[in-house]
Amino acid sequence: DAGVTQSPTHLIKTRGQQVTLRCSPISGHKSVSWYQQVLGQGPQFIFQYYEKEERGRGNFPDRFSARQFPNYSSELNVNALLLGDSALYLCASSLVLRGDTQYFGPGTRLTVL
Amino acid sequence: GESVGLHLPTLSVQEGDNSIINCAYSNSASDYFIWYKQESGKGPQFIIDIRSNMDKRQGQRVTVLLNKTVKHLSLQIAATQPGDSAVYFCAERGSSNTGKLIFGQGTTLQVKP
Repeated sequence: DAGVTQSPTHLIKTRGQQVTLRCSPISGHKSVSWYQQVLGQGPQFIFQYYEKEERGRGNFPDRFSARQFPNYSSELNVNALLLGDSALYLCASSLVLRGDTQYFGPGTRLTVL
Repeated sequence: GESVGLHLPTLSVQEGDNSIINCAYSNSASDYFIWYKQESGKGPQFIIDIRSNMDKRQGQRVTVLLNKTVKHLSLQIAATQPGDSAVYFCAERGSSNTGKLIFGQGTTLQVKP
C-alpha cells in the first residue's frame, strides 16, 4: 500500500517568491495535516483539513494557506517567502479528524535564498 | 501554553542493551500520545501510541509507559540495534477539537556496535 506522498522532494526559492507544495494522503484517509520542521526541532503544526474544510490552524502568518481537494489530496501555499521559511514541510494523513495515528510523508525540503 | 519536552537531547547505548527515552508533557487534558522515529532526511515514522486511559502498551521490541500523575511518558526499546539510531519524538494530542499534535524537541539515539 502506498503511504503519504509529497512533491516536490526539494525546492529552492528566493525571498519574495511563492511556493506550492503537494500531498496525497493514504488511500481512505480523509484528514490531512501540514507541519513545518525547522532543522534541529520538532514539527510545528500549521493546518489540518478534513472533508475539504480547514479544521485547525497553528500560529503561522496569513502568508501560509492550504486547501484540500475532493480526492482528499492537499496543497500548501506560502506567499512572500522569507529566509525563515526554510524548513522541511511535512504532510500527515489520518482516517478522520481526530483519528489517532497520523502517518507522515517524506516531506518537502524548502530552501529560501 | 502546551508543550512537550524531552529530558535528554542525546542518548548513547551499546548494541544489545535496552534504551529508555523520556518525555514530559504539560497539558493534563491531553488524551493521546505517540512516539515517532525520524531518520536523517526522512519523515517521522510511527512507532507506538497510547491513550490516556492506559498506563502501558507494548509493541514489537518497544514499550510505552504513561504516568499521568507526573505527566511523564517513556519509550523503552529492547535489545537496541544499530538500525534504531535516529531522532525520537514524543507528541501529544491536546485538548483542541482537532488532530493537532504537539511535538517535543527530540532525542537522538546513538547505538554503538
